This record gives sequence, C-alpha cells and structure tokens, in this order.
Amino acid sequence: GQQVMQIPQYQHVQEGEDFTTYCNSSTTLSNIQWYKQRPGGHPVFLIQLVKSGEVKKQKRLTFQFGEAKKNSSLHITATQTTDVGTYFCNHNSGGSNYKLTFGKGTLLTVNP
Amino acid sequence: DSGVTQTPKHLITATGQRVTLRCSPRSGDLSVYWYQQSLDQGLQFLIQYYNGEERAKGNILERFSAQQFPDLHSELNLSSLELGDSALYFCASSVSATNEKLFFGSGTQLSVL
Repeated sequence: GQQVMQIPQYQHVQEGEDFTTYCNSSTTLSNIQWYKQRPGGHPVFLIQLVKSGEVKKQKRLTFQFGEAKKNSSLHITATQTTDVGTYFCNHNSGGSNYKLTFGKGTLLTVNP
Repeated sequence: DSGVTQTPKHLITATGQRVTLRCSPRSGDLSVYWYQQSLDQGLQFLIQYYNGEERAKGNILERFSAQQFPDLHSELNLSSLELGDSALYFCASSVSATNEKLFFGSGTQLSVL
C-alpha cells in the first residue's frame, strides 16, 4: 500500500529553537493533514493541505505541501514548551482502497 | 473536548478473553474510524464505518470486528485476546465518508495480562 515516511522520528530542541518535520511519499497524494498529539492525549487536527505548493500558517506553525504533492513539512518557529508532543501527517490514499494512513509521527521534546 | 466519547477509558483483561470498546461520534458526524496505537507501530488504521456501512478496512485482524449502529455509535469487538493486543484504541469521527478532518476520542487503554 501507499507509504508515507515521516522524519525525523524524534527531535529534541532547546526552547526558542526552530523545528521541522517532514512527510515524504513515493506517490502523489491527493491531500495531507497534520495532527498533534500531546503526551497522554489524543490526536488533534491542525490543518489540511490540498493544492500543489500550498503554504498555510497558524501563528508560529508553517505548513507546506510540495509542488509534486509528494511531500509536506511542518515548521515551528521559536519552539515553546507547549509545542511538546507527537506530530503526525495523515493522508487519504483514495481510490477503491480508500483509507486514512498516518505516518509514524515525530516526537518533539523541548528543553526549557 | 472533541465531542467523541469512548468507553471504557481503561480495560484490563486476560489472554483469550473478549472485550467490547464503545464509541459515540460527534453529533452530526456519520463516519466512525477505529485506530490502534502502540509504541512501535504508531497509529494503525483498523476500520471505517459510514452511516452504518463498512467503508474501508485497514490492518484489522480477523479476531477483531466492528459495527456501527443506527444511532451511529460504534463498537469494536476484540476476541481471543493476546498480549500483543495491548494498546491504546482510538475512535475518531468525521462529517462525511471522505472528510479527512478527524475528531478523536480520548481512547481506551487496553491491557492484556
């Protein structure tokens, strides 16, 4: 089935540093969504990207969808301790084998 | 609060047993999804129901089954439990069959001893 690779698996930063996680696919994605899961919590929807080259911002978070729609990134500027958690990308594989597949996530820890 | 309710929050049982996990979707959502989360496997898609009908199937074992009832709540049945079935089971809901904005419940932590 369609595979989405998410890197890095773990990232530890000092508070104030930037952070980026990437989702890469070998095939074209129809869209991609990003979720955040705080420790001990449940995934919470952040955003959906649909268009080639799309860029969306939410305060210190910047989401990008690649021109070929095969990769996406989430960038956090000047991390804060509240950014701690696991960030997942999720995509719809579409077609008759429709299902929603999450990447394995990037666990972000922030040192205050 | 996502509006998705899952019960029970915790479940401890023994190998070989059968358990039922319950999920009530957000008001107005017709689609329900079940996911299994373990440390080494991340979020694994199990199955999706839309308006009472099975819509998509993922990596769901034959020992597991699910259904969505007329009132749209869903149950995930896990039987002949094994130690490896210990995981956090999430239910999520969305408005339509292909609306990818999922709202997750708080999960059921299953421990098989």
